[in-house]
Parts: sequence; C-alpha cells; structure tokens
Amino acid sequence: KAGVTQTPRYLIKTRGQQVTLSCSPISGHRSVSWYQQTPGQGLQFLFEYFSETQRNKGNFPGRFSGRQFSNSRSEMNVSTLELGDSALYLCASSSKEGTPLVFGAGTRLSVL
Amino acid sequence: GEDVEQSLFLSVREGDSSVINCTYTDSSSTYLYWYKQEPGAGLQLLTYIFSNMDMKQDQRLTVLLNKKDKHLSLRIADTQTGDSAIYFCAEFKPGNTPLVFGKGTRLSVIA
Repeated sequence: KAGVTQTPRYLIKTRGQQVTLSCSPISGHRSVSWYQQTPGQGLQFLFEYFSETQRNKGNFPGRFSGRQFSNSRSEMNVSTLELGDSALYLCASSSKEGTPLVFGAGTRLSVL
Repeated sequence: GEDVEQSLFLSVREGDSSVINCTYTDSSSTYLYWYKQEPGAGLQLLTYIFSNMDMKQDQRLTVLLNKKDKHLSLRIADTQTGDSAIYFCAEFKPGNTPLVFGKGTRLSVIA
C-alpha cells in the first residue's frame, strides 16, 4: 500500500508569490490534515478535510487555504507569501476519527 | 495547561535506556500517540495507547500512562544510534478535534 505522497518535496519562492502544495493520501483514507512545522513553533495544525469538506481549521490567516477532491487528494495554497511562511508543510491522512495519522515526508518551503 | 509539554532535549549513551516524558492537557483524551521524526523526513507513528490502559509494550518500546497526572512516557530499551531523532507525543481529544502535538524531544544517542 503506497504511503502519503506530497509534492513537490522542496520549493523556493519569493515574497509576494503564491504556492500550491499537493497531497495524495493512503488509498481508502478520506481524512487529510495539514500541519506547518517550524523550529520555533513546532507542529501547528492548519486544517483538516473529510469527504471534500473542511472539518477543522487552525488559527492561520486567510492567506492559507485548502481543498479536497473527490478522490481524497488535497491541495493547500498560500497566497502573498511572507518570509515567516518558510517551513516544512506536512500532510497526514487517516481512515476515520481517532485512528492514527499517517504522515507524508513533507514539502519544505523556503521564502526568500 | 493548554499545551502538550515535553522536554526539548535528551542525551543518552548507546545501550542505555531512554525515557521521554510528556504531559498532556485533557483527562478525557482517548488516544495518546508517540511519533518519531528523523532528519528530513515526516513523522512516523511509533506506538499509541488507549486511555483505558496503563502500559503498553512493543519490543524495545514501553509506554506508561498516568491518567491522574496526565503524564505519558516512552521508554526505549537498549538505545541505539539509529534512535537519534525527534520524538513527539500527541493527544486525541474526543469531539472531532485535531491531534495536538507537543514541541518534540530531540534524542541524541552517544556512541
């Protein structure tokens, strides 16, 4: 069974640009969660999608958005990038509430 | 407290036992998890424990849960250099809320 796949693995952008990250969950998993990981703040929850609906949202500005498609694949978008958005963005999937999250390898975003 | 708390660093000698501690926030949390993150990688689930258990053992890993004090620990027996990583504890609270993570404990194993 393939794991959670995140693309691209690395991205370099400049301030003001926008970026889209992609996540393919484990087959059969309908829940996809996104986390931002930085050295100072640790893992911070961005949002969770289940069956194409946003089920939970973290405390991030509106520049951060996401969506989920009918095949459970998910994308997150960050507009008007800031230097502070440099981080490792992790996607995780699970089959249902309470079951362990399975993480992808992450997308490392650097904003210059 | 409002945050899942962990010590930031732990250093042990190869072959010794490592104990990583965590204090979680909600006594009604139903699942408690330990994840491992190696450099440049995502988080790998190591083990988890249900809140109605006090202990769980899985090969070199032992998880202890003290619900009264909301304290969770992970013991790694015979620690190896390959165990060097960041270890995160996380709690799942019922009611459709996201998994909440601690800031992670960086384990360094000295040969």
